[in-house]
Amino acid sequence: QVQLVESGGGLVKPGGSLGLSCAASGFSFSDYYMNWIRQAPGKGLEWVSYIGNSGRTIHYADSVKGRFTISRDNAKNSLYLQMNSLRAEDTAVYYCVRDLGFGEDYWGQGTLVTVSS
Amino acid sequence: DIQLTQSPAFLSASVGDRVTITCRASQGISSYLAWYQQKPGKAPKLLIYAASTLQSGVPSRFSGSGSGTQFTLTISSLQPEDFATYYCLQLNSYPWTFGQGTKVEIK
Repeated sequence: QVQLVESGGGLVKPGGSLGLSCAASGFSFSDYYMNWIRQAPGKGLEWVSYIGNSGRTIHYADSVKGRFTISRDNAKNSLYLQMNSLRAEDTAVYYCVRDLGFGEDYWGQGTLVTVSS
Repeated sequence: DIQLTQSPAFLSASVGDRVTITCRASQGISSYLAWYQQKPGKAPKLLIYAASTLQSGVPSRFSGSGSGTQFTLTISSLQPEDFATYYCLQLNSYPWTFGQGTKVEIK
């Protein structure tokens, strides 16, 4: 069965960096595009970033462009999100998502990132 | 960027009620719209994609309609398990964007 397991969340100071990972299993990872979606505590959903199956096509939300970098390693069945220059407003649960919005999609359980001094 | 405006933000309804949630896009998005349901502490669940296609396994009381800039999600007879927050998502152009959500509460 499809499984997506995020890791790497935690507490970081404003201006700091953090890297998230998403381990995928149960499907051919290299065949699918992937996304990161986040949700601030008590707030709505925000799409963060997209990466195509080969890693050549990448898109970002305006709010993270220039600070976050999405990448993937198809040999390791893993998705990544490198977050730099973190701000308080980046505090959220970050979800790794396969196949967002065009039919059956799969979400991880999420990992909490807290940006606070 | 395309903005999605959902209405209402909050909805109080009773079991058995017909409920309609609207999502308006700031520019035309064809039928590139999905609807999600989220319950507290859980990841969102896809209900509808391509504006009107019911995701497999989703009860038929859920339906979606619309194209261009105006979309609706209808629950024909609200059930206890439907009390949740609902979001629309546009996938017409990057950056993809969600509506702000509609919380459906028990009257």
